[in-house]
Amino acid sequence: EAGVAQSPRYKIIEKRQSVAFWCNPISGHATLYWYQQILGQGPKLLIQFQNNGVVDDSQLPKDRFSAERLKGVDSTLKIQPAKLEDSAVYLCASSSGTLIGKFFGPGTRLTVL
Amino acid sequence: AQSVTQLGSHVSVSEGALVLLRCNYSSSVPPYLFWYVQYPNQGLQLLLKYTSAATLVKGINGFEAEFKKSETSFHLTKPSAHMSDAAEYFCAVSLTGANSKLTFGKGITLSVRP
Repeated sequence: EAGVAQSPRYKIIEKRQSVAFWCNPISGHATLYWYQQILGQGPKLLIQFQNNGVVDDSQLPKDRFSAERLKGVDSTLKIQPAKLEDSAVYLCASSSGTLIGKFFGPGTRLTVL
Repeated sequence: AQSVTQLGSHVSVSEGALVLLRCNYSSSVPPYLFWYVQYPNQGLQLLLKYTSAATLVKGINGFEAEFKKSETSFHLTKPSAHMSDAAEYFCAVSLTGANSKLTFGKGITLSVRP
């Protein structure tokens, strides 16, 4: 079974630029999550989708972050404009309704200069 | 709201020694509890999970954890450390339900000395 795929793996941008990350969840997983992991901290949930609807985006900085999950499969997370404090690893995870536990992708390491 | 406390940021053990990584949780309702491992430049891998069945949970790579409600703890142990166990370990809590969001602790880095 293929795991959660993410791209790119690494991205370096300057502050005020825009960036987008892509996630392809495990086939059949209806729930998709984006987490932000700042160095030295545990992952923090940014947004949770159930199919193509948003379940929880309470910790998403909506003035600069946006996410979508068209057709209930792939998802993109965008930051515009980026700030220095956005430097982090962005993890995508997916889960199904029948198996407890989230499956995580390898993450995208973002460096904002 | 739920939360997880992982005291200390770094644990160092000798190869072959006992590994003990501590996790305490706070939850107003019976929780699900998880341990994840993260190797350098990789995503999170599920080690084990507690979902209100047996209180002693066995996971991959010889790790196990015991849920103790009276102590609100879910400590991770392994009888004999291996060099390949060196990684970062995260404890996480969620509400019951397969799609409930995870709340993570800040993680503990495990080093294994030869």
